[in-house]
Amino acid sequence: GENVEQHPSTLSVQEGDSAVIKCTYSDSASNYFPWYKQELGKGPQLIIDIRSNVGEKKDQRIAVTLNKTAKHFSLHITETQPEDSAVYFCAASRRGQGAQKLVFGQGTRLTINP
Amino acid sequence: GAVVSQHPSWVICKSGTSVKIECRSLDFQATTMFWYRQFPKQSLMLMATSNEGSKATYEQGVEKDKFLINHASLTLSTLTVTSAHPEDSSFYICSARDPGAGGTEAFFGQGTRLTVV
Repeated sequence: GENVEQHPSTLSVQEGDSAVIKCTYSDSASNYFPWYKQELGKGPQLIIDIRSNVGEKKDQRIAVTLNKTAKHFSLHITETQPEDSAVYFCAASRRGQGAQKLVFGQGTRLTINP
Repeated sequence: GAVVSQHPSWVICKSGTSVKIECRSLDFQATTMFWYRQFPKQSLMLMATSNEGSKATYEQGVEKDKFLINHASLTLSTLTVTSAHPEDSSFYICSARDPGAGGTEAFFGQGTRLTVV
């Protein structure tokens, strides 16, 4: 089955700087890669996603890149703000096959220092 | 986006009792819902896939007789933790996809913090 590895487990950056979180996946059939932000005591919230037919997607300060050949994808947050502090999870799944289970990475605790 | 609501948001129960957690899709119908468990500082682990009108599909290592799942309608799935023990204390989260919105994005409930004492 699919295995998703996420690094780093913790990341601390100064406010205004950029943060990058990386994930690798094992199943070459995976074609949907979402990123979630989880605040303490809450469920995950989708912040951006990318499909395998696209190499990069951007939404304001957040961008995701995908390298299908290397089977890795990354989250980039620019101009970080204190409210970006949270735990971020990457995930992978196949589209169009049954229940389309999401497999999550281990998570990255991002801390933005004022 | 679509809304998935869980109830209760937290519950404390005595060891040996059963607890039911509800997951509702508020503005869409979901033939499939997913139940996850998350221990402190860990990732989300899929427990089971809840299928409307049929049996749930459990992940390897998850006891189906302990974690009862019922998906009786297109907007409601329930997870019952039977004979709960302290090691069942965890954060339980459900999710669902909205087929009317493409069916790819997963929407998550706010989670239920279960504490077994």
